[in-house]
Amino acid sequence: GAGVSQTPSNKVTEKGKYVELRCDPISGHTALYWYRQSLGQGPEFLIYFQGTGAADDSGLPNDRFFAVRPEGSVSTLKIQRTERGDSAVYLCASSPSGVGETQYFGPGTRLLVL
Amino acid sequence: GDSVTQMEGPVTLSEEAFLTINCTYTATGYPSLFWYVQYPGEGLQLLLKATKADDKGSNKGFEATYRKETTSFHLEKGSVQVSDSAVYFCALTPYNTDKLIFGTGTRLQVFP
Repeated sequence: GAGVSQTPSNKVTEKGKYVELRCDPISGHTALYWYRQSLGQGPEFLIYFQGTGAADDSGLPNDRFFAVRPEGSVSTLKIQRTERGDSAVYLCASSPSGVGETQYFGPGTRLLVL
Repeated sequence: GDSVTQMEGPVTLSEEAFLTINCTYTATGYPSLFWYVQYPGEGLQLLLKATKADDKGSNKGFEATYRKETTSFHLEKGSVQVSDSAVYFCALTPYNTDKLIFGTGTRLQVFP
């Protein structure tokens, strides 16, 4: 079956612009996660959704970052007023229902802020 | 806060050599422990996991044992193959939470 998909695969933008990154989880998975991976580092947790609600957003670095999952399936990570330090690979993962279950990762969106 | 420390790479081995990648953690309570692998051009995949002390996770010839006394979860394989070349990430989820906390990753290069 289809895995987690993310679009776009690459995004180049200019400092100060707004970007949206999309994640399509595995069908039927209620838990969805966003992580950010900077060059040479491990992924860092950003936010976790259970259904439509954000169960844990403690990893969002500041109020420029926001994520939604309005119908409990597709999620969009939104970054306002992008900065060069936001350049990273943004990873999405999903799991069947949450705590204790394997997270399945998408291929990521590589964001470059010029 | 909770964290994971793993050995820096790259680790360079000849085919059929023995592999160890060290991983230690800091956590309150009883975390679950994981090894994820990222093959070239692919996404992160779960390799193995252990959810309580003394558990051994195993998959594809890789093994790791959850050692609470030494707060370690070292990855081992008896005989590596060229196809094992990848970046390996040690990770934990703190007790009763779902967010993964990753180490910085260790690149393994296996030559024929």
